[in-house]
Amino acid sequence: GAGVSQSPSNKVTEKGKDVELRCDPISGHTALYWYRQSLGQGLEFLIYFQGNSAPDKSGLPSDRFSAERTGGSVSTLTIQRTQQEDSAVYLCASSSYTQETQYFGPGTRLLVL
Amino acid sequence: SQQGEEDPQALSIQEGENATMNCSYKTSINNLQWYRQNSGRGLVHLILIRSNEREKHSGRLRVTLDTSKKSSSLLITASRAADTASYFCATGLRGSGGGADGLTFGKGTHLIIQP
Repeated sequence: GAGVSQSPSNKVTEKGKDVELRCDPISGHTALYWYRQSLGQGLEFLIYFQGNSAPDKSGLPSDRFSAERTGGSVSTLTIQRTQQEDSAVYLCASSSYTQETQYFGPGTRLLVL
Repeated sequence: SQQGEEDPQALSIQEGENATMNCSYKTSINNLQWYRQNSGRGLVHLILIRSNEREKHSGRLRVTLDTSKKSSSLLITASRAADTASYFCATGLRGSGGGADGLTFGKGTHLIIQP
């Protein structure tokens, strides 16, 4: 079946602009995660959604970052007033509630000039 | 701070040889997972080992877990050029169930298989 999809694949923006990153999880998966990977670094957990419950925002690096998940499916990660340090690959993953294995999308590579 | 730390940071071996990567972590865990990443993009899940398991096999992969030492190892036998990638360990913390919390990743081991 279809895996996790993310769009856009690449995004170049100017400092100060807002960006929206989209994630389509695997159908039927209730858990959705966003991670950030900076150059040469491991993955940094950002936010987690379980179904329609309020998200765990504990990993968001600043109040410029927000995320929502509509109808318990598609999720959007929004970064307002982007800064150069926001440049990274943003990865989305999903899992079924009873599994701990997470399935990752191909990521969105964000470059802030 | 990072929960998982892979060792070595980089490893280069000849095709056909075995590759061993290690991971250490700091807190009690529910499970430990290994992922592979090619070309800095999406991660592929390789294997999950639970805190009450000591060893697990999947094809050419063998994972061990020593909770007393808070460490795990990933062995790839009979390596192939296609195994060239970065390998990450990730821990699910004790107390989280059903993937309730985000995984905590190390910085990875970059493995190069030379033909």
